[in-house]
Amino acid sequence: GDSVTQMEGPVTLSEEAFLTINCTYTATGYPSLFWYVQYPGEGLQLLLKATKADDKGSNKGFEATYRKETTSFHLEKGSVQVSDSAVYFCALVWRDDKIIFGKGTRLHILP
Amino acid sequence: GAVVSQHPSRVICKSGTSVKIECRSLDFQATTMFWYRQFPKQSLMLMATSNEGSKATYEQGVEKDKFLINHASLTLSTLTVTSAHPEDSSFYICSATLGGDQPQHFGDGTRLSIL
Repeated sequence: GDSVTQMEGPVTLSEEAFLTINCTYTATGYPSLFWYVQYPGEGLQLLLKATKADDKGSNKGFEATYRKETTSFHLEKGSVQVSDSAVYFCALVWRDDKIIFGKGTRLHILP
Repeated sequence: GAVVSQHPSRVICKSGTSVKIECRSLDFQATTMFWYRQFPKQSLMLMATSNEGSKATYEQGVEKDKFLINHASLTLSTLTVTSAHPEDSSFYICSATLGGDQPQHFGDGTRLSIL
């Protein structure tokens, strides 16, 4: 079945460091891909999305490119801030099926 | 690892029926549970945040009298869709967390179809 695999955390970086959180997927078709963010005590918020191959989603300095050839949707940010500390979830949706999440990656940014 | 059980996985019922969905954290005590709705081919929408022993906090635009949430214990939260209509048809997904910066753990979702 369809699945999402993302790097396990926690990931700890210093402020202004470059961030990459890897995400790969397996799917029978060409799903829509998402990154969600969970701040402490809060529900998920949609961070960015891409609906077809080579699309790049971007928001708040974060980017991810839908790579069909590598079935990946890695999340990147050029210079992280302490306020980016959160849990990040990669997810996919295929047609009208239920959304499928990765297990989440905790990110700690040190001042 | 942490497991969240959601039941039922699929419901088909007539318009006007009330439907209850259960969300249980099986091997941990969840201080907070979340309820989400997923529209077809679209991303998740947070409906409400549920803390054990207190009233749920609903997101703007979500009718609290239509989507009743009860979080009676640290391992169980329920969502009742009252007087459901076809426009309520959706996936409903719960998640549970220990709180703080701990990740949410998701149930398998409930596909609700109102005829």
